[in-house]
Amino acid sequence: EVQLVESGGGLVQPGGSLRLSCEASGFTFSSHWMYWVRQAPGKGLVWVSRVNSDGSGTIYADSVRGRFTISRDNAKNTVYLQMNSLRAEDTAVYYCARASLVGGVTLAAFDIWGQGTMVTVSS
Amino acid sequence: EIVLTQSPGTLSLSPGERVTLSCRASQSVISTYLAWYQQIPGRAPRLLIYGTSSRATGVPDRFSGSGSGTDFTLTISRLEPEDFAVYYCQFCGTSPFTFGPGTKVEIK
Repeated sequence: EVQLVESGGGLVQPGGSLRLSCEASGFTFSSHWMYWVRQAPGKGLVWVSRVNSDGSGTIYADSVRGRFTISRDNAKNTVYLQMNSLRAEDTAVYYCARASLVGGVTLAAFDIWGQGTMVTVSS
Repeated sequence: EIVLTQSPGTLSLSPGERVTLSCRASQSVISTYLAWYQQIPGRAPRLLIYGTSSRATGVPDRFSGSGSGTDFTLTISRLEPEDFAVYYCQFCGTSPFTFGPGTKVEIK
C-alpha cells in the first residue's frame, strides 16, 4: 500500500524546536519530490516547503524561511522538517505530501498525503 | 505570487444535485498547473483533479474540471453523500504553491 506516515508533532513552547518525520512506503521514494503542507485549526491549506528527489534542492514559504529546514534520507524512505524558533502562528496540522509524476515530469499536485501530525506552540 | 479566490464560500445542496465550484487566479495560469482537492473534516486532503481536467487515480467520473487563463471550475455532476466536504483549488506551477481558501459543500 502506498502511504506516508508522519510523526514528531506535539506541544512546544514559543522559541522551541521540533523535528517532524514522514516515512514513505509502497512506492519508489527516491523518484518523488516531497512537500510539507500545514493547516491551522479551522483554516485552509498552506504550502510550507519542498525538497527535490535527491535532497539537493529545497525551497520554503516566506513565513518559515530561515527557521525551518527540510531534508530527506532516501535510504530510510523518510523526509524531515526541522522546525526552530517556533511561534504561536506555526500551530497547525502538518502534512507531508508526494508530488505527482505525470509523463515522467514532476508536478506539484500532491497525489499522496500523510494523515498529518499536530504541532501546538504554546506556553 | 498567484492568489486564488474561490466562490462561493459555502454551498448548501441536496444529494443528487449538480454543483459547480469556481476558482479564479490573480493572473493567467497555464492549465497544467491547476489542481483540485477534496477534504473531509478530520482527514487529509485528497487530490481530485490535476492539469485542470485530468482526474486523479480512483476519482469517480462525476467529478470534472475545466477552465483556462484565470477562471477554473470543478463540477460534480450528481452529489453523493460522501461528497459533502471542503474543496480547494491549488496553483502547482512554481513556488509558492498557493491554495485557494476553499468552498464548503454542505448538506441542505
